[in-house]
Amino acid sequence: QKEVEQNSGPLSVPEGAIASLNCTYSDRGSQSFFWYRQYSGKSPELIMSIYSNGDKEDGRFTAQLNKASQYVSLLIRDSQPSDSATYLCAVNKRDSSNTGKLIFGQGTTLQVKP
Amino acid sequence: GAGVSQSPRYKVAKRGRDVALRCDSISGHVTLYWYRQTLGQGSEVLTYSQSDAQRDKSGRPSGRFSAERPERSVSTLKIQRTEQGDSAVYLCASSLYPRGWQPQHFGDGTRLSIL
Repeated sequence: QKEVEQNSGPLSVPEGAIASLNCTYSDRGSQSFFWYRQYSGKSPELIMSIYSNGDKEDGRFTAQLNKASQYVSLLIRDSQPSDSATYLCAVNKRDSSNTGKLIFGQGTTLQVKP
Repeated sequence: GAGVSQSPRYKVAKRGRDVALRCDSISGHVTLYWYRQTLGQGSEVLTYSQSDAQRDKSGRPSGRFSAERPERSVSTLKIQRTEQGDSAVYLCASSLYPRGWQPQHFGDGTRLSIL
């Protein structure tokens, strides 16, 4: 079992729709969760971070965290073609020195069609 | 610029050679991380260094990977005796503090091809 799992997709949604990206993780002690967006050939760009159960909203993006189910998701409302990218779920795995090393999922490719 | 920059953007090397990749982090950031990104394996952490530590704390069991920190905001990832499986994009990231809740900022990566 991978430590952080995502469906690689591609996930295809029409412009204006809600895109829902999902991620599960195996380390129950994980405390910090991040969503990065990565365009081809570019660096991962942080779009959301979440640390406690519930929802966190930032513009068109909503991150949802459920630690009991070890599940974190990202919702993108009013999807735009410019949202087409690979979305990486990253989890800070707890370790004794709390170094901040991130464990990434495989990434989900999102395609928003005009 | 104020972001993380990496050089070179592309590197081709023959199998068995040593390579060095450079990362210039955001000024003031304490912790530097190196990740490897491949289509098959996704992204995995290779090594990291905190503060002014010159040597890395490598997570790679093979020991061929190491990072040095000649300056506070500069890290060099060294790969010894490269293998074809080392072909990947190598990403550098930095964070302000070495704490798990701190977001990390990434460079555009170095694409390494081993022939």
